[in-house]
Amino acid sequence: QLQLQESGPGLVKPSETLSLTCTVSGGSISTTLYYWGWIRQPPGKGLEWIGSMYYSGSTFFNPSLKSRVTISVDTSKNQFSLKLSSVTAADTAMFYCARLDSSGLHFDCWGQGTLVTVSS
Amino acid sequence: QSVLTQPPSASGSPGQSVTISCTGTSSDVGDYNYVSWYQQHPGKAPKLMIYEVSKRPSGVPDRFSGSKSGNTASLTVSGLQAEDEADYYCSSYAGSNNLAVFGGGTKLTVL
Repeated sequence: QLQLQESGPGLVKPSETLSLTCTVSGGSISTTLYYWGWIRQPPGKGLEWIGSMYYSGSTFFNPSLKSRVTISVDTSKNQFSLKLSSVTAADTAMFYCARLDSSGLHFDCWGQGTLVTVSS
Repeated sequence: QSVLTQPPSASGSPGQSVTISCTGTSSDVGDYNYVSWYQQHPGKAPKLMIYEVSKRPSGVPDRFSGSKSGNTASLTVSGLQAEDEADYYCSSYAGSNNLAVFGGGTKLTVL
């Protein structure tokens, strides 16, 4: 049973960089069948895709966030990470890591989510 | 503001059917058969309910069905049950530079 688990600070100061890690268990991240990525949801609002990456390192980003986002993978730890720079209060959200099926382009497995608040 | 447009709310009585629409453009919903639907209960992560317009993952009841016409996709829930009350989000592939765009979500209430 594949499981994804987000981890990272729950509070980040404005203008700083938000960093989160997703640990994958029950399956290997080094597969050609899936992308791995991040989705966020501000409190009371809808979902927004942030970006996804292939285990080989190819990355894809939401055009509206592209300039601030970095996604990287550590295959030795079966983890992938998100960095979002220059955060503001508008970046406060629940952040989910999720697996994206590379043929059907749907998110078929999600982490439970982690709330990140941007505040001084 | 979300890329795909969904009605903010929908409702139906137990046993009835309800359909939720998801309107995009010829650059996303209209151009690809990669529309998916997600169910989200309060405080929980989203759950995949429909993918590739009309396919159901294993374990999803056949009361849930999907379709598409032009730039609009639809999710139909038949035989409504109390546990179907949740938020529903549609998503579509929008090209190699935009792997996923989402709708704003529809709150489904079972009366």
